[in-house]
Amino acid sequence: GENVEQHPSTLSVQEGDSAVIKCTYSDSASNYFPWYKQELGKRPQLIIDIRSNVGEKKDQRIAVTLNKTAKHFSLHITETQPEDSAVYFCAAGGDTNAGKSTFGDGTTLTVKP
Amino acid sequence: SAVISQKPSRDICQRGTSLTIQCQVDSQVTMMFWYRQQPGQSLTLIATANQGSEATYESGFVIDKFPISRPNLTFSTLTVSNMSPEDSSIYLCSAERTGITDTQYFGPGTRLTVL
Repeated sequence: GENVEQHPSTLSVQEGDSAVIKCTYSDSASNYFPWYKQELGKRPQLIIDIRSNVGEKKDQRIAVTLNKTAKHFSLHITETQPEDSAVYFCAAGGDTNAGKSTFGDGTTLTVKP
Repeated sequence: SAVISQKPSRDICQRGTSLTIQCQVDSQVTMMFWYRQQPGQSLTLIATANQGSEATYESGFVIDKFPISRPNLTFSTLTVSNMSPEDSSIYLCSAERTGITDTQYFGPGTRLTVL
């Protein structure tokens, strides 16, 4: 089955700096790569996703890059704000069955004001 | 976006008992799933809830322990049977409306503590 590794497990940045979280996956058949943000005590919320037919996707301060050859993808958050503090999960899965995605172990991001 | 609710939001149960968690979606969805998230850890898929047929379970999860129903396109239940303290966790349902975006939405979760 799919195996997703996520790094780092914790990340602390100053407000205004950039944050990068990286994930690798094992199953070359995976072609859907979502990222979720989970605040303490809340449900995971999809913040951005990318499919295998594109290499990069951007939404305001958030961007995701995908390298299918190397089987890794990354989340980039620019101009970080304290409200970006949360646990971020990457996942890898199939295109038409996103729920079957396998999740990484999560990265706890702390943005210091 | 789909709005998903779960009941109960939390419960404390005795060892050996069972708890049924309900998940309601505000619109028809194609796929519904049940996850488990232990404190401070990632999400693990338990099973896919199939409408009108038996659920599809992931490795390590069995129907006798986690029976699932999905009588229609907007509702599903997960039962945690014969509970032990190791079942203490957050249980989340999720739904996916298959289409161009295949976006997955999560319910608020049910926090289960087994004594």
